[in-house]
Amino acid sequence: SAVISQKPSRDICQRGTSLTIQCQVDSQVTMMFWYRQQPGQSLTLIATANQGSEATYESGFVIDKFPISRPNLTFSTLTVSNMSPEDSSIYLCSYRGRGDGYTFGSGTRLTVV
Amino acid sequence: AQSVTQPDIHITVSEGASLELRCNYSYGATPYLFWYVQSPGQGLQLLLKYFSGDTLVQGIKGFEAEFKRSQSSFNLRKPSVHWSDAAEYFCAVGVNDMRFGAGTRLTVKP
Repeated sequence: SAVISQKPSRDICQRGTSLTIQCQVDSQVTMMFWYRQQPGQSLTLIATANQGSEATYESGFVIDKFPISRPNLTFSTLTVSNMSPEDSSIYLCSYRGRGDGYTFGSGTRLTVV
Repeated sequence: AQSVTQPDIHITVSEGASLELRCNYSYGATPYLFWYVQSPGQGLQLLLKYFSGDTLVQGIKGFEAEFKRSQSSFNLRKPSVHWSDAAEYFCAVGVNDMRFGAGTRLTVKP
């Protein structure tokens, strides 16, 4: 499986600001995914990002709050905009490999104060 | 749409006892099924996966799972639990994307 690098690993941010999370894969992948894991909860899919097209967002998530970029087949970013304490979560990126299932980044632990 | 249900939010077992964590999925065809484990403050670790073929799947750390199409289930089992198995366990179904169950928290009593 290709290696996926996610950064930052953690951050503490002021409310009202934005944070951009980056994911880099060391080979080309078609689809990348972004998840949120709120404290004590499971992982929830935020959106699916294909290169060259707009991301597809799940119910409850909107582009203005979570803009996603996918400029090429190895890279994607998720921005958490106008943050509030309720956005404090772990954010993970993922991709689906050929025959290998899904690979996840190590996650970004975000705390909004 | 695909979805997965984990009926048990929290399970407590004694060390050395057997374990079964339940998972039911909803999908029109044969799905791709996964079990992950997450220890406190740690990332996800893949225990095992089922794509096709033998319905009994062996994973890491002595875990196994059995795919039962008739029951739409993919239950995780371990014959003898160790204290280090205490963690959160997630069942997931992944076809075009991956959807996770709510998770089952496993506590191991000494």
